[in-house]
Order: sequence, then structure tokens, then C-alpha cells
Amino acid sequence: QSALTQPASVSGSPGQSITISCTGTSSDVGGYNFVSWYQVHPDKAPQLMIYEVTNRPSGASNRFSGSKSGNTASLTISGLQAEDEADYYCSSYTSSSTLVFGGGTKVTVL
Amino acid sequence: EVQLLESGGGLVQPGGSLRLSCAASGFTFTNYAMIWVRQAPGQGLEWVSSVTSGGNTNYGDSVKGRFTISRDNSKNTLYLQMDNLRVDDTAVYHCAKPVTTGTRGQKSGFDYWGLGILVTVSS
Repeated sequence: QSALTQPASVSGSPGQSITISCTGTSSDVGGYNFVSWYQVHPDKAPQLMIYEVTNRPSGASNRFSGSKSGNTASLTISGLQAEDEADYYCSSYTSSSTLVFGGGTKVTVL
Repeated sequence: EVQLLESGGGLVQPGGSLRLSCAASGFTFTNYAMIWVRQAPGQGLEWVSSVTSGGNTNYGDSVKGRFTISRDNSKNTLYLQMDNLRVDDTAVYHCAKPVTTGTRGQKSGFDYWGLGILVTVSS
């Protein structure tokens, strides 16, 4: 169960858009539309931002959007705000009936 | 209001055992798969185990054969029995509920999480 690959860090200025990638294989990201994205602030519980590649749960900001192409999923944050500074993790269902997370991306608002 | 409250963590020596509990409220527990996820100090999220609404279970490679997930639907409670604990099992353990019900739930995103409980394995 190798972790999905995410960039270690991404940064942007307030108001800009940033994109975080999440690369897996045909046995996970590429094989299923079950990719989720989570926002984690220090010492807080993870918050679901996107599920099933593109769906936003109730309460999640519409500045967050998801997409997928082949074995790579992406999370885009539009209109970057200071409150968006956090760690972000992708997750995917796998062909082994397990879940796998990415290594996490630290988003910095400049 | 959906609430998930973990308990049972603490300090244990290598080779020891602990049982974590996750008390659920505010939703029909029986209808949902549930998972445990952990985060070691300074590390990322790691999926530990899942149990479907029907009781089918799956485990991460690092805990397979040592941890057992179970649920008591009459008590709306999820459990994680952790045996033969190792130093690298030290982490905050979260339980989480999926967005969707049934078998799809274990594959989908998880919209409610407990605050987590710390497990420290050290001599």
C-alpha cells in the first residue's frame, strides 16, 4: 500500500488560485472515482473538502473544487484566503478494498 | 448533531494491548461503514481499518494480524482492539463516519471525525 504522491508544499498569495496534485496508480486513483480531499489544521480533526473526485459536502466552501485525469487527481483552491493555510491530504479507495492517503501538502498563504 | 467521541487511549509498553472505543451519536450508526485513521507525531494521515455496515473488515498492512476492528450496533459504538503494540503505533487515532450509507460508504469520503485519542507506545 504505497502512499499517493503529493507535493510537499504549495504557496500562493491571497486571492490567487492554487492546485494540489495527487498521483496514484490504476489500482487506486485511476481505477475508481473515489478520491477525497481533507483539510487539516494543527491539532484539529480532518475536514472533508471534496469526495468522489468532484463532490463538495455541505458546509465546504465552493472555492474548493476537484478533478481527475488518469492516475492523477487535483484539488484547486480559488480566491486563496488566510484561513486556507493548512495541510491537505488526498485519499483513494483501492483495488484491495482498502483506503490510501497521500503524504500531505502544506499550503502557505503568502 | 453528529458526534464521535474516542476513548481508551494512553501509555502502554511495547507488546501490550489497548482497546479504543468510538461512541457515535446523531445519526443511524447501523447504516454506515466506519473507519479508524491515525496520525503519528509530525507525520501524515494513515488509514488503519474499516468495517462495513454489515461487519466486513479490512486492515492496513502495518496493523494486519495485530489490530481488530469491531462494532456494537446496539451501543452505537466502534472499537479497535490493538494487540502486540509497537513503538511506531504511537499516534493520535481518529474514528470517522462516511458521507454515504451502505457499501459505498467505505469507499467514499468521510465527513465527520472524532477529535482523536492519543496512543503512546513506549518503555
